[in-house]
Amino acid sequence: DTAVSQTPKYLVTQMGNDKSIKCEQNLGHDTMYWYKQDSKKFLKIMFSYNNKELIINETVPNRFSPKSPDKAHLNLHINSLELGDSAVYFCASSQSAGGYEQYFGPGTRLTVT
Amino acid sequence: KQEVTQIPAALSVPEGENLVLNCSFTDSAIYNLQWFRQDPGKGLTSLLLIQSSQREQTSGRLNASLDKSSGRSTLYIAASQPGDSATYLCAINTNAGKSTFGDGTTLTVKP
Repeated sequence: DTAVSQTPKYLVTQMGNDKSIKCEQNLGHDTMYWYKQDSKKFLKIMFSYNNKELIINETVPNRFSPKSPDKAHLNLHINSLELGDSAVYFCASSQSAGGYEQYFGPGTRLTVT
Repeated sequence: KQEVTQIPAALSVPEGENLVLNCSFTDSAIYNLQWFRQDPGKGLTSLLLIQSSQREQTSGRLNASLDKSSGRSTLYIAASQPGDSATYLCAINTNAGKSTFGDGTTLTVKP
């Protein structure tokens, strides 16, 4: 019954590696998001997709590449991981892109060593 | 550029008290405002969503108000309980789907 799910929940990896985080929503929503929450708990939007199309891309290094194979999935691939990428990454979804209520996943805690 | 500020950053109250959390924003051209709760190590749970045309929304012991012209929203929690302890975040949404979050207020309700 999980509305927005993410895998993995925890990810520990070394600098320079490439990793992916997966997100799925079963709410039938059109829009999905990726957020980054840093060590100071500040939450910032990274990307937003509406019907598999990228609509928001906030000054994120191009090492981060989102991919939406269908409306229910939005994956985040990160190349050449850096120490500063350590954070909690949250996926969210909403009915549509027009400021609708957002539902968040449980988060993926990424630690880069 | 929208900036969102939440005051206070932390708040500790005894159980049973009524309390108010504040959220202010710099750009009044908002679509709606959403209040969330985040428990330690968990994701965000939506509490209330107020459209830009609304003045307030209520859910149980929670009441959120919105004053667009002054760039302020408040979250009022009545008869606080230890289970209310969490970080509360407000988010300003545009009609393009972009959200700007405040830094949050961490609330501790002591039994």
